[in-house]
Amino acid sequence: ELKVEQNPLFLSMQEGKNYTIYCNYSTTSDRLYWYRQDPGKSLESLFVLLSNGAVKQEGRLMASLDTKARLSTLHITAAVHDLSATYFCAVDRGHFGNEKLTFGTGTRLTIIP
Amino acid sequence: DTEVTQTPKHLVMGMTNKKSLKCEQHMGHRAMYWYKQKAKKPPELMFVYSYEKLSINESVPSRFSPECPNSSLLNLHLHALQPEDSALYLCASSQERGSGANVLTFGAGSRLTVL
Repeated sequence: ELKVEQNPLFLSMQEGKNYTIYCNYSTTSDRLYWYRQDPGKSLESLFVLLSNGAVKQEGRLMASLDTKARLSTLHITAAVHDLSATYFCAVDRGHFGNEKLTFGTGTRLTIIP
Repeated sequence: DTEVTQTPKHLVMGMTNKKSLKCEQHMGHRAMYWYKQKAKKPPELMFVYSYEKLSINESVPSRFSPECPNSSLLNLHLHALQPEDSALYLCASSQERGSGANVLTFGAGSRLTVL
């Protein structure tokens, strides 16, 4: 059974600081996604990582994938308040066109002014 | 139109009621999904439809019955639910982008309360 674990589960950080969220998964996969969810809202796609060593950046967020270590990271640079949300990684265990995403436990990020 | 629209946004039902959740997308996506999300938990896959055919059922109890009338619509019929079925039900759709991965676009969800 595929397990996807994130740490930390909760993260409270000051504005302007840097931090990293880690996503570990238990079986081989070469497709990993990061999503953001605001309280009471739906999920917004942030990044798709498709190969070992893939790195994607958007604004203050950067995601990377190490398929050999079964590890993805989401790095936050110089955090600002509007990045406060819950972040999920998700590993695809299905076939192309029949995505079966298993979501990680989620990291609830709070940015303190 | 780049949205997945779900109705109703909120639904309260008794354990003997029959109700339906609806999902609509007009992006030409060929795969549609139902996910269930309990409070403070990650979403869990329930069903996948590909080209209007049920392709994945994640061992969901029969009191949940999906239906895909056409390529733009996805329904979830609810009957004899239990209070523990109270959750946010998320619909999603996806389409090949030529990059080797289908990114799911999620709707805003239907929040279901079973009394």
